Amino acid sequence: QLQLQESGPGLVKPSETLSLTCTVSGDSISSSAYYWGWIRQPPGKGLEWIGSIYYSGSSYYNPSLKSRVTISRDTSKNQFSLKLSSVTATDTAVYYCARGAAEVEWGQGTLVTVSS
Amino acid sequence: EIVLTQSPGTLSLSPGERATLSCRASQSVSSSYLAWYQQKPGQAPRLVIYAASSRATGIPDRFSGSGSGTDFTLTINRLEPEDFAVYYCQQYGYSPLYTFGQGTKLEIK
Repeated sequence: QLQLQESGPGLVKPSETLSLTCTVSGDSISSSAYYWGWIRQPPGKGLEWIGSIYYSGSSYYNPSLKSRVTISRDTSKNQFSLKLSSVTATDTAVYYCARGAAEVEWGQGTLVTVSS
Repeated sequence: EIVLTQSPGTLSLSPGERATLSCRASQSVSSSYLAWYQQKPGQAPRLVIYAASSRATGIPDRFSGSGSGTDFTLTINRLEPEDFAVYYCQQYGYSPLYTFGQGTKLEIK
């Protein structure tokens, strides 16, 4: 059974870098033909795809965030990570890690607040 | 960039009624790559319909999806109290890789 667990700081200061890690169990991020990525949801708003890393290692990013986003992976730990630089209050959101093909399977999400 | 527009923004119905939710794409979407999710407060979204018309595991048969090209519909017959939630459509494959509609809130009248 697939499990996705987000971890990382719940509070980040403006202009700093948001860093989150997703630990995967029940599947392998390097051998299973899925996209492994991040989706966020600001409080009371809709869903926004941030980016994904394919099992082969190729990365894909939302053009609206591409200049600030890096998604990487550690296959030895079966984890993948998100870094979002130069954050502002508008980056405050619940961040979900996810496994995707045509459909998305979700972690439980973690709230990250950007505030000084 | 493909845009998904959902309507209505809010739908107020009573238990036992039928809900019809619309998702319109700015360009044609493969039916294989159109999904619907249900989200309740404080929870992650849950897959309801995939490939436009296939019910996900554990989803009751009162949920159905239809459509093709640019127009897709989620229908919920005989609404149950647990069906009241926000519903999102999602497409896969265009740049961005995933796009979501803005959501339809299904609320109890």
